[in-house]
Amino acid sequence: QKEVEQNSGPLSVPEGAIASLNCTYSDRVSQSFFWYRQYSGKSPELIMSIYSNGDKEDGRFTAQLNKASQYVSLLIRDSQPSDSATYLCAVRGLTGGGNKLTFGTGTQLKVEL
Amino acid sequence: DAGVIQSPRHEVTEMGQEVTLRCKPISGHNSLFWYRQTMMRGLELLIYFNNNVPIDDSGMPEDRFSAKMPNASFSTLKIQPSEPRDSAVYFCASSLSTGTDTQYFGPGTRLTVL
Repeated sequence: QKEVEQNSGPLSVPEGAIASLNCTYSDRVSQSFFWYRQYSGKSPELIMSIYSNGDKEDGRFTAQLNKASQYVSLLIRDSQPSDSATYLCAVRGLTGGGNKLTFGTGTQLKVEL
Repeated sequence: DAGVIQSPRHEVTEMGQEVTLRCKPISGHNSLFWYRQTMMRGLELLIYFNNNVPIDDSGMPEDRFSAKMPNASFSTLKIQPSEPRDSAVYFCASSLSTGTDTQYFGPGTRLTVL
């Protein structure tokens, strides 16, 4: 079982719709959870972080965390063509001095006009 | 701030040659990370340093890979000898040393080993 699992996609949504990206993780003692966006040929950039159960909203983005189910999700409201990218879920646990991120392989999102 | 700086941006070399990748972290950041990204395996942590000291090198694939951080503003990742399976994009990232801080990625070095 992979430590962090994501559906590779592509996930296609029409412009203006809600895109829902999902991630599961295997280490129950994971502490912190992150969503990075990566455009083709570019480096990952952090868009959301979440540390406690529930929802966290930032503009059009909402991160949801359920530690009991070991599940993290990212919702993108009013999806725009500029949101088309690969979204990487990352989890920080207690190994490696507590500063080590484990990444999923990413979900490719395509927002269609 | 200039962000994380990596060089070279692209490297093409032949199998068996030595490859050295360079990274300058963001000034004031105490943690530095080297990642490798491939289509098959995604983004994998190779090694990370805190205050110039290697903390976790469990992701370094084999003895052909080595990394150093001689001071707070410079790190190298060396592959000797290089093999075609080392072809990937190598990212360097840095963060402040506390456990919840964001990692900021450099632009990456695309390595092709022929």
